[in-house]
Amino acid sequence: GDSVTQMEGPVTLSEEAFLTINCTYTATGYPSLFWYVQYPGEGLQLLLKATKADDKGSNKGFEATYRKETTSFHLEKGSVQVSDSAVYFCALGDNNNDMRFGAGTRLTVKP
Amino acid sequence: DAGITQSPRHKVTETGTPVTLRCHQTENHRYMYWYRQDPGHGLRLIHYSYGVKDTDKGEVSDGYSVSRSKTEDFLLTLESATSSQTSVYFCAIRAGTVQETQYFGPGTRLLVL
Repeated sequence: GDSVTQMEGPVTLSEEAFLTINCTYTATGYPSLFWYVQYPGEGLQLLLKATKADDKGSNKGFEATYRKETTSFHLEKGSVQVSDSAVYFCALGDNNNDMRFGAGTRLTVKP
Repeated sequence: DAGITQSPRHKVTETGTPVTLRCHQTENHRYMYWYRQDPGHGLRLIHYSYGVKDTDKGEVSDGYSVSRSKTEDFLLTLESATSSQTSVYFCAIRAGTVQETQYFGPGTRLLVL
């Protein structure tokens, strides 16, 4: 079945460092891809999404490009802030009401 | 903010007792979902609903039942709670017209002793 694999954490960076969180997927169809962020004590919030190959999702300085050839959707940000500290989830969704999530990557940004 | 609330937000119960969690939405979305979140597993789908009285099983449905008697409420019931059901439970709705995008409630933290 469809699945998502994302890099294990935790990831610790200094403020203004470059961030990459890797995400690869396995899917039989043509899913949409998502990144969600979860701040402590809260639910998941949609960060960005891409619905087809070569689409780039972006929001709040974060970007991810839907790469069909490498089945990847890596999350990047050029300069992280302390407020970006959270858990990040990669997910894929198809038309069958089946959304699959990665295990999550905890990011800590230090001043 | 997709207008989703969950109650209770925290609950401690004992093994063998029934537990019902409530998800309430204010925007008339047709699709609603229940997930559980556990370390190392991300979120896993328990059940979902595609309309009033229309529900289906997800990946980890054993030990759970759901009901949806009106559009705005989706209830998750643990008939006889077990320690393995200690988890954080999230409700979600589906919104948008191009591929589904799910929006999540704040979660319910359940501890089964």
